[in-house]
Amino acid sequence: AQRVTQPEKLLSVFKGAPVELKCNYSYSGSPELFWYVQYSRQRLQLLLRHISRESIKGFTADLNKGETSFHLKKPFAQEEDSAMYYCALRSYNNNDMRFGAGTRLTVKP
Amino acid sequence: DTGVSQNPRHKITKRGQNVTFRCDPISEHNRLYWYRQTLGQGPEFLTYFQNEAQLEKSRLLSDRFSAERPKGSFSTLEIQRTEQGDSAMYLCASRLGQGDGYTFGSGTRLTVV
Repeated sequence: AQRVTQPEKLLSVFKGAPVELKCNYSYSGSPELFWYVQYSRQRLQLLLRHISRESIKGFTADLNKGETSFHLKKPFAQEEDSAMYYCALRSYNNNDMRFGAGTRLTVKP
Repeated sequence: DTGVSQNPRHKITKRGQNVTFRCDPISEHNRLYWYRQTLGQGPEFLTYFQNEAQLEKSRLLSDRFSAERPKGSFSTLEIQRTEQGDSAMYLCASRLGQGDGYTFGSGTRLTVV
């Protein structure tokens, strides 16, 4: 069964500090992993996906199949990064994308 | 085309009434999804269309729920005999290709009183 776990419901850091939002998954096959972000009063939007190996808004995420993790990292957090972040998993042949419960990131000035 | 559009934004209904929501996906996206989100949870998959064909339905989608996408463009989600437990944000998303992420709409917030 597919499952996504985000162990922290809330995460608070100061501006300029590094931030890591944790995501662990359980899936026996080859997953596609995504991070979505929802800023206040805005719709849910794609932040990045592991197949692109890209950096968006300074965020990166590396798929670690050994640890079944896909943690989201940014070296220097900004106040505008404050938002709700969701990790999501989709199996290659499945259209059911599973989301974690989300982590609310607050970046304090 | 400004993205995925959902109507209405908010719906308050009395228990037992029927409600219908509409989703207009990005025009070239042939894949359309419905999700439900309750407070403190991530979105939960309800159903998936490829063009006009409904290819997957979650166990969450009881007999009171029905979704259609008659012409492969917009989709409707109907809930019959609403219950208080149906209160949630109903999200629609679309995508074009196999490896793409989803583009979400703003959602319809349903409150059953």
